[in-house]
Amino acid sequence: GESVGLHLPTLSVQEGDNSIINCAYSNSASDYFIWYKQESGKGPQFIIDIRSNMDKRQGQRVTVLLNKTVKHLSLQIAATQPGDSAVYFCAEKKTSYDKVIFGPGTSLSVIP
Amino acid sequence: KAGVTQTPRYLIKTRGQQVTLSCSPISGHRSVSWYQQTPGQGLQFLFEYFSETQRNKGNFPGRFSGRQFSNSRSEMNVSTLELGDSALYLCASSRDSLGTDTQYFGPGTRLTVL
Repeated sequence: GESVGLHLPTLSVQEGDNSIINCAYSNSASDYFIWYKQESGKGPQFIIDIRSNMDKRQGQRVTVLLNKTVKHLSLQIAATQPGDSAVYFCAEKKTSYDKVIFGPGTSLSVIP
Repeated sequence: KAGVTQTPRYLIKTRGQQVTLSCSPISGHRSVSWYQQTPGQGLQFLFEYFSETQRNKGNFPGRFSGRQFSNSRSEMNVSTLELGDSALYLCASSRDSLGTDTQYFGPGTRLTVL
């Protein structure tokens, strides 16, 4: 199968601090990007998405930034809470009808 | 509204056997995608079905197949199981195949091949 990476980076943050999770995507032609959160024993959960014609999008406590020049995506979580502890995946699609390619994921651990 | 359901939740098989996994999408969702998740390879796309037709396929061998029924429920089948097929198999549904519709994932089926 197709894989993006084998390593799972980890990030530890203090409760109440802001978290920044980074992702380098693979295809400069990708048009659509999504962030997912996966808690232990559950399937991934949609957090926020962004199209390539945007460079920033905000949700509730989350912001996604897209830098197409360096093929970089980031997820910012404000006032991180213990419930935010999970693995976070970025994903990309070349076109609306193409398959979703997931990044390797980042494990976020929130220290109470 | 009920979420995506997958059955069974856990399955143990032996090498050489075949297995069928089932996915019931959220009511009204017509697109169903399947993914394999392993610690070593991460989340990998298997295939996507929309209106009973396979729209996209990942880079998996022909032992992996799927289908979708007229009620949008989907099944995937793995024949001649190998040890490396041990994984969490996830199903996700969305309203349609416009690509930017939110995908909702089920809890997955944990397959162990002995």
